[in-house]
Amino acid sequence: DTEVTQTPKHLVMGMTNKKSLKCEQHMGHRAMYWYKQKAKKPPELMFVYSYEKLSINESVPSRFSPECPNSSLLNLHLHALQPEDSALYLCASRRGPAYEQFFGPGTRLTVL
Amino acid sequence: EDQVTQSPEALRLQEGESSSLNCSYTVSGLRGLFWYRQDPGKGPEFLFTLYSAGEEKEKERLKATLTKKESFLHITAPKPEDSATYLCAVPETSGSRLTFGEGTQLTVNP
Repeated sequence: DTEVTQTPKHLVMGMTNKKSLKCEQHMGHRAMYWYKQKAKKPPELMFVYSYEKLSINESVPSRFSPECPNSSLLNLHLHALQPEDSALYLCASRRGPAYEQFFGPGTRLTVL
Repeated sequence: EDQVTQSPEALRLQEGESSSLNCSYTVSGLRGLFWYRQDPGKGPEFLFTLYSAGEEKEKERLKATLTKKESFLHITAPKPEDSATYLCAVPETSGSRLTFGEGTQLTVNP
């Protein structure tokens, strides 16, 4: 099974709301990722967790807060977002270095 | 710094018209090259991993090949359902980050 699941599929939020995106994988992968993707552009890395510890933060604004409760789950907490944060948010996982990443279906986020 | 360039940016084919997509790369040490397919509004779907020059992988109408400087994704007798954006990517030395190309948007007309 090479499935990464994400919820919700769609999210509309106001600039003062607090919401969370969730990601889950049961492949035993120990690296998990959050990406942001704008239309007609490749995915842009936000955060990497390795063995449940944050290993890479690509200078993402603090209104995005990642969390890795256990080796199968990844959350992205959202607060006080801006309209320009509207995008497709993708979660991915990887077995190890030099192995391919498997992506989830994404959450389409709209910030009003 | 790793660089990945895909061409063409967009490609329109008639059903059954075979063609190839190109992914040129410049890396300090190749640790693999990945091909993905992405449908609008969905996450990238993994297709192939290639590790060494001369390697080839096939899946249905798709065949991926690798040289020391580039990779090709050959599409034989495409169908409309092959329409998608195709992305290639290479991992950095640590393996944590991927460098993506900008993608090729393929449209196959019936």
